[in-house]
Amino acid sequence: AQSVTQLDSHVSVSEGTPVLLRCNYSSSYSPSLFWYVQHPNKGLQLLLKYTSAATLVKGINGFEAEFKKSETSFHLTKPSAHMSDAAEYFCVVSRRGTSYGKLTFGQGTILTVHP
Amino acid sequence: DAGVIQSPRHEVTEMGQEVTLRCKPISGHDYLFWYRQTMMRGLELLIYFNNNVPIDDSGMPEDRFSAKMPNASFSTLKIQPSEPRDSAVYFCASSREGSLSGYTFGSGTRLTVV
Repeated sequence: AQSVTQLDSHVSVSEGTPVLLRCNYSSSYSPSLFWYVQHPNKGLQLLLKYTSAATLVKGINGFEAEFKKSETSFHLTKPSAHMSDAAEYFCVVSRRGTSYGKLTFGQGTILTVHP
Repeated sequence: DAGVIQSPRHEVTEMGQEVTLRCKPISGHDYLFWYRQTMMRGLELLIYFNNNVPIDDSGMPEDRFSAKMPNASFSTLKIQPSEPRDSAVYFCASSREGSLSGYTFGSGTRLTVV
């Protein structure tokens, strides 16, 4: 079994300030973890993924996330927010290393960026 | 690479009508997933296929929903008869090598049943 909890449903930051979107996961297996972003009326775009290599994962648009097994966390960060980062972000877990490809999504965090 | 292609982008239909949503996965991807997104329930996996074979359909809400994948380049999700509570955005996604490579999502079909 696996589950994902995104700790904040809404996060609001000012442009140029750091972004932190929190995610905790639970999995009976070694997990693969992903962050997806969804802009209004758009599909989901993969930001970054952790599968088993380096625990600090760098993604697109300056985002990165750190896998912390002891804390069962996979928080998403960015040093400086841009207006174009305003969107909904989903933390996702799946079972690593098998052909069972089911993804489990968190409930999403809406990021608002103020000028 | 054109990505995952879904059609139509928007669909408005009357309650009781049949609705068919279509998806063309990325060539070479061997997994295909259908998700539904609503405000109340977030993203839910409805069904997924591996090499055109349905693997897990436990998320399909009821018998009114059916999905097929007749070949590696095409899948349909059908709702018959449709109901207002089926209104949602339906996403198709495809991937290669299971969960290791990440998933590519289509732009979704926004279904409104009136």
